[in-house]
Amino acid sequence: EEQLVESGGGLIQRGGSLRLSCAASEFTVMSKYMTWVRQAPGKGLEWVASVYSGGNTYYADSVRGRFTISRDGSTNTLYLRMNSLTADDTAVYYCARRDYYYGPLDVWGQGTTVTVSS
Amino acid sequence: QSALTQPASVSGSPGQSITISCTGSNSDIGLYNYITWHQHHAGKVPKVIIYDVSSRPSGVSHRFSGSKSGNTASLTISGLQSEDEAHYYCSSYSVNSPVWLLGGGTKVTVL
Repeated sequence: EEQLVESGGGLIQRGGSLRLSCAASEFTVMSKYMTWVRQAPGKGLEWVASVYSGGNTYYADSVRGRFTISRDGSTNTLYLRMNSLTADDTAVYYCARRDYYYGPLDVWGQGTTVTVSS
Repeated sequence: QSALTQPASVSGSPGQSITISCTGSNSDIGLYNYITWHQHHAGKVPKVIIYDVSSRPSGVSHRFSGSKSGNTASLTISGLQSEDEAHYYCSSYSVNSPVWLLGGGTKVTVL
């Protein structure tokens, strides 16, 4: 079964850094369109960042310059490096897969919680 | 502010039908048939229920249907059930963006 398992969330002080991991099984992250989506408390889903199969990366304005999305083919893992964290980054972070360019986000991780304390 | 506009909330009684709208522009919904809907129950993982405007993934109830007219996509839930209480998000591919646009979400309440 194709699945994504996230890890790396936790409580971090304002201004700190954190790296989220998203391990994939039964498919290769390098050949898919991978995305991070987050949900802040009481808010809707918000797109954070994407990396496409060709390696292009894209970021929401709210995280550009602070977050870095990357992937490792040897471990089949997607990452999100988050720097200069603020209270606005407090959220549940989901990784998700788009199987093909025009396809839906069809496989999601279980979510990992990031809490930024002031 | 989301690029795709959804009503904040929609409600209905059990057995009724409700429709959630998702309004975009002629650069996204009006131009392409790459429109998806996700269902998100609180504390759970989002789940795709409609893709390509009106296609349902295997295992998704036939009570969920999607359509499009002009720059507006719609999700209809027929025979509303308590388990349908959740947030619903539309998403669309756009000619103006390398990444898909996401709606702000609609909370569905079963009265």
